[in-house]
Amino acid sequence: KNQVEQSPQSLIILEGKNCTLQCNYTVSPFSNLRWYKQDTGRGPVSLTIMTFSENTKSNGRYTATLDADTKQSSLHITASQLSDSASYICVVSAPWSGTASKLTFGTGTRLQVTL
Amino acid sequence: DGGITQSPKYLFRKEGQNVTLSCEQNLNHDAMYWYRQDPGQGLRLIYYSQIVNDFQKGDIAEGYSVSREKKESFPLTVTSAQKNPTAFYLCASAVQFNQPQHFGDGTRLSIL
Repeated sequence: KNQVEQSPQSLIILEGKNCTLQCNYTVSPFSNLRWYKQDTGRGPVSLTIMTFSENTKSNGRYTATLDADTKQSSLHITASQLSDSASYICVVSAPWSGTASKLTFGTGTRLQVTL
Repeated sequence: DGGITQSPKYLFRKEGQNVTLSCEQNLNHDAMYWYRQDPGQGLRLIYYSQIVNDFQKGDIAEGYSVSREKKESFPLTVTSAQKNPTAFYLCASAVQFNQPQHFGDGTRLSIL
């Protein structure tokens, strides 16, 4: 069964500090991995998308890494801001196969940035 | 400004009642999706549509119905057969199936 596990479940950090969120997956075959940011009561917004051949991708203060061999990804947030407080969701996509469920969503890491 | 609009933001359903959640997009996307989000769980796919006048069941379609009569619109009806409808419902669209999805801001459905 395809699964995406994220850790930690929740995290509290001080403003200005860095943090790293983890994503382990068992999805196979693999097409791409996406990180989304979801503010409370809002829809997810895409941060990064990485294909099998990409090791790292940045979007401002967000940097995602991917190790397709170990099926692990991380999202590193640099110099955190209060506005980074949100849930971060890892989503793994399988190649098109005609089946209904092509995306497997993680349960997310809830990040709270405090003063 | 292009995007996906879901309405209403909050919805209450009485027992035995059907309710319809609206999803409209002006991104000219072919594919549209409905997801359900529950606390502590990943998003689960209810229905998806690759093109107008076509839609397919997702993982948890029981108790739900959809239509895709227009490219811009993909309404979701939560029927009385859905015994646990309380959740946050998210609509998404993509240029084509298997392309990155853009999400609306969701509708929170509760039971009276």
